[in-house]
Amino acid sequence: DVKVTQSSRYLVKRTGEKVFLECVQDMDHENMFWYRQDPGLGLRLIYFSYDVKMKEKGDIPEGYSVSREKKERFSLILESASTNQTSMYLCASSFSGAAKNIQYFGAGTRLSVL
Amino acid sequence: AQKITQTQPGMFVQEKEAVTLDCTYDTSDQSYGLFWYKQPSSGEMIFLIYQGSYDEQNATEGRYSLNFQKARKSANLVISASQLGDSAMYFCAMRETQGAQKLVFGQGTRLTINP
Repeated sequence: DVKVTQSSRYLVKRTGEKVFLECVQDMDHENMFWYRQDPGLGLRLIYFSYDVKMKEKGDIPEGYSVSREKKERFSLILESASTNQTSMYLCASSFSGAAKNIQYFGAGTRLSVL
Repeated sequence: AQKITQTQPGMFVQEKEAVTLDCTYDTSDQSYGLFWYKQPSSGEMIFLIYQGSYDEQNATEGRYSLNFQKARKSANLVISASQLGDSAMYFCAMRETQGAQKLVFGQGTRLTINP
Protein backbone atom coordinates (compact mmCIF):
# COMPACT_ATOMS: atom_id res chain seq x y z
CA ASP A 1 0.00 0.00 0.00
CA VAL A 2 1.04 3.53 -0.75
CA LYS A 3 2.26 5.38 2.31
CA VAL A 4 3.06 9.04 2.95
CA THR A 5 3.76 9.74 6.60
CA GLN A 6 3.85 13.14 8.23
CA SER A 7 5.64 13.21 11.54
CA SER A 8 3.00 15.11 13.52
CA ARG A 9 -0.78 15.46 13.28
CA TYR A 10 -0.89 18.51 15.54
CA LEU A 11 1.77 21.06 16.49
CA VAL A 12 1.63 24.15 18.66
CA LYS A 13 4.54 26.57 18.39
CA ARG A 14 5.35 30.08 19.51
CA THR A 15 5.99 33.08 17.28
CA GLY A 16 9.64 33.22 16.23
CA GLU A 17 10.35 29.52 16.74
CA LYS A 18 12.00 27.46 14.02
CA VAL A 19 9.62 24.70 12.99
CA PHE A 20 10.35 21.48 11.12
CA LEU A 21 7.63 19.46 9.41
CA GLU A 22 8.78 16.06 8.22
CA CYS A 23 7.38 13.88 5.47
CA VAL A 24 8.44 10.38 4.47
CA GLN A 25 7.20 8.27 1.55
CA ASP A 26 7.87 4.60 0.92
CA MET A 27 6.98 4.41 -2.77
CA ASP A 28 10.31 5.46 -4.32
CA HIS A 29 8.63 8.53 -5.83
CA GLU A 30 10.77 11.15 -7.51
CA ASN A 31 8.45 14.07 -6.78
CA MET A 32 7.49 15.42 -3.37
CA PHE A 33 5.32 18.41 -2.53
CA TRP A 34 4.32 20.62 0.38
CA TYR A 35 0.91 22.28 0.29
CA ARG A 36 -0.85 24.58 2.66
CA GLN A 37 -4.63 24.33 3.12
CA ASP A 38 -6.77 27.21 4.36
CA PRO A 39 -10.59 27.42 4.41
CA GLY A 40 -11.99 28.85 1.19
CA LEU A 41 -8.61 28.80 -0.53
CA GLY A 42 -8.17 25.12 -1.25
CA LEU A 43 -4.60 23.80 -1.33
CA ARG A 44 -1.74 26.04 -2.35
CA LEU A 45 1.70 24.77 -3.29
CA ILE A 46 4.57 25.98 -1.12
CA TYR A 47 7.55 24.05 -2.53
CA PHE A 48 8.18 20.89 -4.47
CA SER A 49 11.15 18.68 -5.25
CA TYR A 50 11.66 16.48 -8.29
CA ASP A 51 14.87 14.85 -7.12
CA VAL A 52 17.22 14.61 -4.17
CA LYS A 53 18.69 18.03 -3.29
CA MET A 54 16.51 19.67 -5.96
CA LYS A 55 13.74 22.10 -5.05
CA GLU A 56 11.45 24.54 -6.78
CA LYS A 57 9.31 27.32 -5.39
CA GLY A 58 5.58 26.93 -5.59
CA ASP A 59 2.98 29.66 -5.39
CA ILE A 60 3.52 30.78 -1.79
CA PRO A 61 7.16 30.09 -0.77
CA GLU A 62 7.69 33.21 1.35
CA GLY A 63 8.59 32.39 4.93
CA TYR A 64 9.34 28.73 4.15
CA SER A 65 12.29 26.65 3.06
CA VAL A 66 12.68 22.94 2.31
CA SER A 67 15.26 20.20 2.45
CA ARG A 68 15.53 16.92 0.58
CA GLU A 69 18.68 15.06 1.47
CA LYS A 70 17.23 11.60 0.80
CA LYS A 71 14.76 10.49 -1.82
CA GLU A 72 12.14 9.35 0.68
CA ARG A 73 12.20 12.39 2.96
CA PHE A 74 11.08 15.99 2.34
CA SER A 75 11.17 18.55 5.13
CA LEU A 76 9.38 21.87 5.34
CA ILE A 77 11.06 24.50 7.52
CA LEU A 78 9.52 27.63 8.97
CA GLU A 79 12.59 29.69 9.81
CA SER A 80 10.74 32.02 12.18
CA ALA A 81 7.14 31.01 12.68
CA SER A 82 4.48 33.70 12.52
CA THR A 83 0.79 33.62 13.40
CA ASN A 84 -0.20 33.85 9.73
CA GLN A 85 1.45 30.48 9.20
CA THR A 86 -1.19 28.80 11.35
CA SER A 87 -2.67 26.33 8.89
CA MET A 88 -3.02 22.73 7.76
CA TYR A 89 0.08 21.45 5.96
CA LEU A 90 -0.13 18.53 3.56
CA CYS A 91 2.73 16.58 2.04
CA ALA A 92 2.35 14.59 -1.19
CA SER A 93 4.49 12.47 -3.47
CA SER A 94 4.26 11.09 -7.00
CA PHE A 95 6.21 9.49 -9.79
CA SER A 96 7.40 11.88 -12.48
CA GLY A 97 6.59 11.69 -16.16
CA ALA A 98 3.07 10.71 -17.15
CA ALA A 99 0.21 13.15 -16.74
CA LYS A 100 -1.84 10.57 -14.91
CA ASN A 101 0.69 10.19 -12.12
CA ILE A 102 -1.35 10.43 -8.97
CA GLN A 103 -0.19 12.49 -6.04
CA TYR A 104 -0.55 10.59 -2.77
CA PHE A 105 -1.03 12.60 0.35
CA GLY A 106 -0.16 12.28 4.01
CA ALA A 107 -2.72 12.82 6.77
CA GLY A 108 -1.66 16.43 7.27
CA THR A 109 -0.16 18.46 10.11
CA ARG A 110 -2.33 21.06 11.77
CA LEU A 111 0.03 23.80 12.95
CA SER A 112 -0.94 26.51 15.39
CA VAL A 113 1.45 29.41 15.94
CA LEU A 114 0.69 31.41 19.08
CA ALA B 1 -2.15 30.50 -15.73
CA GLN B 2 -4.18 27.53 -14.65
CA LYS B 3 -7.26 28.06 -12.53
CA ILE B 4 -9.86 25.76 -11.00
CA THR B 5 -13.25 27.03 -9.83
CA GLN B 6 -15.67 25.16 -7.60
CA THR B 7 -18.74 27.31 -7.14
CA GLN B 8 -20.54 25.22 -4.52
CA PRO B 9 -19.11 25.84 -1.04
CA GLY B 10 -21.55 23.34 0.47
CA MET B 11 -24.10 20.78 -0.64
CA PHE B 12 -26.67 18.75 1.25
CA VAL B 13 -28.05 15.54 -0.27
CA GLN B 14 -30.30 12.74 0.92
CA GLU B 15 -28.74 9.33 1.25
CA LYS B 16 -29.03 7.15 -1.89
CA GLU B 17 -29.51 10.14 -4.17
CA ALA B 18 -27.04 10.98 -6.91
CA VAL B 19 -25.02 14.18 -6.52
CA THR B 20 -23.06 16.32 -8.97
CA LEU B 21 -20.18 18.48 -7.79
CA ASP B 22 -19.24 21.25 -10.21
CA CYS B 23 -15.75 22.09 -11.41
CA THR B 24 -14.68 24.45 -14.17
CA TYR B 25 -11.12 25.06 -15.22
CA ASP B 26 -9.06 27.45 -17.25
CA THR B 27 -5.86 26.63 -19.08
CA SER B 28 -4.19 27.57 -22.32
CA ASP B 29 -2.61 24.14 -22.67
CA GLN B 30 -4.04 21.42 -24.89
CA SER B 31 -2.66 18.60 -22.78
CA TYR B 32 -3.63 18.38 -19.14
CA GLY B 33 -5.10 16.08 -16.51
CA LEU B 34 -8.01 16.59 -14.14
CA PHE B 35 -8.30 14.97 -10.72
CA TRP B 36 -10.84 14.72 -7.95
CA TYR B 37 -9.85 14.15 -4.35
CA LYS B 38 -11.94 13.48 -1.24
CA GLN B 39 -10.92 14.79 2.16
CA PRO B 40 -12.79 13.27 5.13
CA SER B 41 -12.69 14.93 8.53
CA SER B 42 -9.55 12.90 9.31
CA GLY B 43 -7.67 15.20 6.93
CA GLU B 44 -6.07 12.83 4.45
CA MET B 45 -6.62 13.57 0.75
CA ILE B 46 -7.89 10.49 -1.07
CA PHE B 47 -7.61 10.22 -4.85
CA LEU B 48 -10.94 9.40 -6.51
CA ILE B 49 -10.76 9.73 -10.28
CA TYR B 50 -8.67 11.05 -13.17
CA GLN B 51 -9.54 12.39 -16.64
CA GLY B 52 -6.98 13.18 -19.32
CA SER B 53 -7.67 15.98 -21.76
CA TYR B 54 -7.37 13.61 -24.71
CA ASP B 55 -9.46 10.84 -23.20
CA GLU B 56 -12.49 10.34 -25.41
CA GLN B 57 -14.63 8.67 -22.81
CA ASN B 58 -15.67 9.98 -19.42
CA ALA B 59 -13.75 8.35 -16.57
CA THR B 60 -15.55 6.06 -14.15
CA GLU B 61 -14.41 4.46 -10.89
CA GLY B 62 -17.12 2.49 -9.12
CA ARG B 63 -19.78 4.96 -7.92
CA TYR B 64 -17.74 7.92 -9.18
CA SER B 65 -17.87 9.25 -12.71
CA LEU B 66 -16.50 12.39 -14.26
CA ASN B 67 -18.68 14.37 -16.63
CA PHE B 68 -16.02 15.88 -18.86
CA GLN B 69 -17.13 18.64 -21.24
CA LYS B 70 -13.97 19.91 -22.87
CA ALA B 71 -15.53 22.73 -24.89
CA ARG B 72 -17.14 24.11 -21.72
CA LYS B 73 -13.99 23.44 -19.69
CA SER B 74 -15.93 21.60 -17.05
CA ALA B 75 -15.14 18.39 -15.18
CA ASN B 76 -18.01 17.65 -12.83
CA LEU B 77 -17.87 14.75 -10.39
CA VAL B 78 -20.97 12.56 -10.19
CA ILE B 79 -21.49 10.29 -7.21
CA SER B 80 -24.24 7.76 -7.68
CA ALA B 81 -26.27 6.29 -4.82
CA SER B 82 -24.69 8.48 -2.16
CA GLN B 83 -23.79 7.01 1.23
CA LEU B 84 -23.30 8.56 4.65
CA GLY B 85 -19.56 7.90 4.30
CA ASP B 86 -19.45 10.22 1.29
CA SER B 87 -19.76 13.22 3.61
CA ALA B 88 -16.45 15.06 3.15
CA MET B 89 -14.70 17.92 1.38
CA TYR B 90 -14.17 17.33 -2.34
CA PHE B 91 -11.46 19.03 -4.36
CA CYS B 92 -11.06 19.33 -8.09
CA ALA B 93 -7.49 19.75 -9.34
CA MET B 94 -5.63 20.12 -12.62
CA ARG B 95 -2.13 19.43 -13.81
CA GLU B 96 -0.61 20.42 -17.10
CA THR B 97 1.27 17.66 -18.86
CA GLN B 98 4.32 19.72 -19.69
CA GLY B 99 6.62 21.36 -17.23
CA ALA B 100 6.16 21.12 -13.49
CA GLN B 101 4.16 18.29 -12.03
CA LYS B 102 2.25 20.44 -9.59
CA LEU B 103 -1.48 20.33 -9.04
CA VAL B 104 -3.67 23.42 -8.95
CA PHE B 105 -6.68 22.97 -6.66
CA GLY B 106 -10.12 24.51 -6.46
CA GLN B 107 -11.57 25.89 -3.24
CA GLY B 108 -13.43 22.69 -2.46
CA THR B 109 -17.05 21.68 -1.87
CA ARG B 110 -18.26 20.36 1.47
CA LEU B 111 -20.74 17.55 0.83
CA THR B 112 -23.09 16.44 3.58
CA ILE B 113 -25.19 13.31 3.15
CA ASN B 114 -28.34 13.25 5.26
CA PRO B 115 -29.89 9.93 6.40
